[in-house]
Amino acid sequence: GEDVEQSLFLSVREGDSSVINCTYTDSSSTYLYWYKQEPGAGLQLLTYIFSNMDMKQDQRLTVLLNKKDKHLSLRIADTQTGDSAIYFCAESHDGNTGKLIFGQGTTLQVKP
Amino acid sequence: EPEVTQTPSHQVTQMGQEVILRCVPISNHLYFYWYRQILGQKVEFLVSFYNNEISEKSEIFDDQFSVERPDGSNFTLKIRSTKLEDSAMYFCASSPTGTGYKDTQYFGPGTRLTVL
Repeated sequence: GEDVEQSLFLSVREGDSSVINCTYTDSSSTYLYWYKQEPGAGLQLLTYIFSNMDMKQDQRLTVLLNKKDKHLSLRIADTQTGDSAIYFCAESHDGNTGKLIFGQGTTLQVKP
Repeated sequence: EPEVTQTPSHQVTQMGQEVILRCVPISNHLYFYWYRQILGQKVEFLVSFYNNEISEKSEIFDDQFSVERPDGSNFTLKIRSTKLEDSAMYFCASSPTGTGYKDTQYFGPGTRLTVL
């Protein structure tokens, strides 16, 4: 069945790069997403990548997709304390109703 | 910026009681969703709703759950007879379309349901 896995915790120093990893099992995944959740808030879409892309860059965010290994990563350059949050990887595919399958979330702790 | 709102932020109920969780999706969106997150577990899809009917539902969404769009603005999730294991954070989401990159789902802040 469909499954998305992430590591649970990542700690970095302010100014360093953060890399959050995700693996998924559904080979028919069409869209892959990164959501951010700050305390007390909902899930905020950060970025997405279409499955025929290898990389997408958006300011400090770089998404890499290895479709062969079903591996997705989110790199945050020059990580700031405001980036501390839980980051969720999610996937969906055409043909369904937009249902998102989420990973368990990676807690990013940024130390000053 | 338009946003999805949910009420209440926290709901405490007794086992066996009915609860209604309320959501106001973004006004021009057509697709609506409920997800839940049990503490320490993944965010799980419950149901999607389009054109006044359920599009897809998960195994979790059994007969004790129902959804409704009672008017042009609200989208509700009803749990008929709550169980201890229904304790979770419930997220509502809406999107302009159902599939594709344009289906960006906008999430509300969630309702924390505690069943005692």
